[in-house]
Amino acid sequence: GQSLEQPSEVTAVEGAIVQINCTYQTSGFYGLSWYQQHDGGAPTFLSYNALDGLEETGRFSSFLSRSDSYGYLLLQELQMKDSASYFCAVKGSQGNLIFGKGTKLSVKP
Amino acid sequence: DSGVTQTPKHLITATGQRVTLRCSPRSGDLSVYWYQQSLDQGLQFLIQYYNGEERAKGNILERFSAQQFPDLHSELNLSSLELGDSALYFCASSVEVRTEAFFGQGTRLTVV
Repeated sequence: GQSLEQPSEVTAVEGAIVQINCTYQTSGFYGLSWYQQHDGGAPTFLSYNALDGLEETGRFSSFLSRSDSYGYLLLQELQMKDSASYFCAVKGSQGNLIFGKGTKLSVKP
Repeated sequence: DSGVTQTPKHLITATGQRVTLRCSPRSGDLSVYWYQQSLDQGLQFLIQYYNGEERAKGNILERFSAQQFPDLHSELNLSSLELGDSALYFCASSVEVRTEAFFGQGTRLTVV
C-alpha cells in the first residue's frame, strides 16, 4: 500500500521561506505531486516531480529524492495568501492519487 | 475554474436517507476520482473510474457506490446516511497518464 507523512502545521512570517517535508512509502512509485487547498476551497495542483532534483515554478519549488523516499515543497517570499493547507500525493499503481493528511501553513504578518 | 463541475454545492439531509452527488469532468478527461474530506482531515480516496469502468477502490463504505456513464459524467451514491458521513465530497478528473488532477468545488454534505 501507500502512505505519506507530512507535518500537520507550520507557521512562518510574511516574506520568509518555509519548507514542507513529505516522506512516502509506496509499492510502486510514479512521482510526487503537491496540491494547495484554501479553507473551504478545492485542492489545486502546484507541482510534480518524477525524477530526483528540484523543480521551480515562480515562488514555489519542489524537490524529490527517490532513494530517500522524500520530497519537499519550498515556498519563498511568503505572502498572506499562501496561508492554506498543502498536500503531497503519490500516484498509485492503478492511477489513483493518494494524499497525505496535509500541512496547514499559517503566514503571520 | 478547473473545468470540473459538481452538483449540488450543498446538501442537507437526515440520517437514513440516500443522496446522489454528480460530477462532470473536464472535457477530454477519462479518469474521474471521488474523495471524501471530513473536518480538518485529509483527502480520503474513495473510488476511481476510467472511461466508464471502475479502476481503483479506496476505503469506500459498502453503503456508498459510484458509476461513470457513457458521457463520462459520474455519480456517487450515498445511502443509509449517518452523522459521520457529513463531509466535503470532491470529484477530480485527469488525463490518464498524467498526475495533475483537477478538482471540482466539492459538495458539502450535512447529515442531521
